[in-house]
Amino acid sequence: QKEVEQDPGPLSVPEGAIVSLNCTYSNSAFQYFMWYRQYSRKGPELLMYTYSSGNKEDGRFTAQVDKSSKYISLFIRDSQPSDSATYLCAMSAGRDDKIIFGKGTRLHILP
Amino acid sequence: DGGITQSPKYLFRKEGQNVTLSCEQNLNHDAMYWYRQDPGQGLRLIYYSQIVNDFQKGDIAEGYSVSREKKESFPLTVTSAQKNPTAFYLCASGSGQGASDTQYFGPGTRLTVL
Repeated sequence: QKEVEQDPGPLSVPEGAIVSLNCTYSNSAFQYFMWYRQYSRKGPELLMYTYSSGNKEDGRFTAQVDKSSKYISLFIRDSQPSDSATYLCAMSAGRDDKIIFGKGTRLHILP
Repeated sequence: DGGITQSPKYLFRKEGQNVTLSCEQNLNHDAMYWYRQDPGQGLRLIYYSQIVNDFQKGDIAEGYSVSREKKESFPLTVTSAQKNPTAFYLCASGSGQGASDTQYFGPGTRLTVL
């Protein structure tokens, strides 16, 4: 079983819809969870950073961590065509551990 | 204007040649990282450095070398020993200790071996 699993997509949704992106993981020691957005031919940019379980909201974006299920989600409300990108989840166990990245989910928002 | 810069954006190399990819940051970050990204695969860590004059191998260090002579700079050399060097290379930096620190990425260099 891979440490981090992420559906590669592509995921196509109409503009204005709520988008749900997910990752599962196997290492129960993971405590730090991140979501990155990567536009085509660009470097990833950090969207959300959470520690341990719970929800975190930033504008139209909500990150959710369920450690009991080893499952993290990123919700995008009122999706826009500019949200079309690849979304990478990432996580690590602690400050001295490396970050493990998911393979990314390609998202298309249809105008 | 703070950030991470990588150059060149595109690089072409003949087989058997060594090439060096540049990465510079003005974020005053202690830690810097090099990743490789291939289609359908996640980011794979090549090397990282937590402090000047010190660096550690990542998961796929074979065929690569780095140096960290200045805090701001972390160049990556792709040597002729790297069997499949065509890829998108990403440099990142972070402010904390350890590889788990939140990382901020540069725009990337796309290397193509002819």
